[in-house]
Amino acid sequence: DQQVKQNSPSLSVQEGRISILNCDYTNSMFDYFLWYKKYPAEGPTFLISISSIKDKNEDGRFTVFLNKSAKHLSLHIVPSQPGDSAVYFCAASARGGSQGNLIFGKGTKLSVKP
Amino acid sequence: DVKVTQSSRYLVKRTGEKVFLECVQDMDHENMFWYRQDPGLGLRLIYFSYDVKMKEKGDIPEGYSVSREKKERFSLILESASTNQTSMYLCASSLAGLAGSYEQYFGPGTRLTVT
Repeated sequence: DQQVKQNSPSLSVQEGRISILNCDYTNSMFDYFLWYKKYPAEGPTFLISISSIKDKNEDGRFTVFLNKSAKHLSLHIVPSQPGDSAVYFCAASARGGSQGNLIFGKGTKLSVKP
Repeated sequence: DVKVTQSSRYLVKRTGEKVFLECVQDMDHENMFWYRQDPGLGLRLIYFSYDVKMKEKGDIPEGYSVSREKKERFSLILESASTNQTSMYLCASSLAGLAGSYEQYFGPGTRLTVT
């Protein structure tokens, strides 16, 4: 039973446009959410995070939105660049829970076309 | 910068061999993790450790064991490699405690092929 779901396995966007990656979760105990980016043959790298006390966090071209009532978060990339092409993983944690484990979604492969 | 290193980037082993994957982190992190990544399945947790000599099973521990004799080093052991263990193996580390963000830092991965 997936606690963190990324329902779109892939997304294709034109360079300069907005990329929106979505993530849903089922466990109401999750209170911290992270996005990771992964290039082929490399380990995932941390991108941006958000605590459940916020509904938005912004870092340059990357913004994460959290809708707690809908148990939904999204990552916006504006403007998208070809170098953003990668697999993006959403992850969630219940900080009062098991020693900092993260629950990952299955990932969304983003392709940004020049 | 946090650095997590893994002993090999690519490894080819035969069925039945014992395989050791080593991971070292240099940030004095308490928590260490082993994942495997397969297409369409995302990152699946094999084992984790929140202290020296401590280990906990993750979601898919069968066929694997781990060792953490020193804080900076976490080893994944495939007792008898099988072809269904062909995968990308990723090690990660993080700080412990409720004050932490629980952000995990990943190594570059080991692509293991079992023939």
